Amino acid sequence: AQRVTQPEKLLSVFKGAPVELKCNYSYSGSPELFWYVQYSRQRLQLLLRHISRESIKGFTADLNKGETSFHLKKPFAQEEDSAMYYCALNNSGGTSYGKLTFGQGTILTVHP
Amino acid sequence: NAGVTQTPKFQVLKTGQSMTLQCAQDMNHEYMSWYRQDPGMGLRLIHYSVGAGITDQGEVPNGYNVSRSTTEDFPLRLLSAAPSQTSVYFCASSYSTWALAGGGSYEQYFGPGTRLTVT
Repeated sequence: AQRVTQPEKLLSVFKGAPVELKCNYSYSGSPELFWYVQYSRQRLQLLLRHISRESIKGFTADLNKGETSFHLKKPFAQEEDSAMYYCALNNSGGTSYGKLTFGQGTILTVHP
Repeated sequence: NAGVTQTPKFQVLKTGQSMTLQCAQDMNHEYMSWYRQDPGMGLRLIHYSVGAGITDQGEVPNGYNVSRSTTEDFPLRLLSAAPSQTSVYFCASSYSTWALAGGGSYEQYFGPGTRLTVT
């Protein structure tokens, strides 16, 4: 069964410090992974996806199939990065396109 | 485009009552889904649909019914509300075919959520 694990419920850093939000997954097929973010009083939205290999708002995430991880990183955290972050896994090889399995979420707080 | 809309935003029910949470999208997405968000549990899939007339169960379907008579609408029905169904409910939609998704991934668009309390 596919599973996504985010080991940290809460993560606090100071502004300007590096931040890493951990995500591990278990999946037998070819994984498609995402990071979604929910800012205060806003709806959940896509932050980035592994196939794009892009940097959004300074965040990057690399898929490591050997370690089955997809950690989210940013070298210099900003106060506006404070939010709930979810790692999510999609079954890209099956017929249930768009069916996501989410991790438990990590609340990131960036202190001034 | 309004995107994904949900009504109501807030609802309080008594145990045993039934109600329907509404979800609509105007992006012509084939795929729609319902999640519940609980502290420490993340988002869990309740039911999903890959097109009008087709629905299937997710991870936590018990106590909920869905139907998909049109592409735009995907209502979630609570048959007999229980305190364990107190949660925030999110509806989401996306393309379900590789071509329509621009050959890329299936980004899901979420509604604003419905906060449900069952007493």
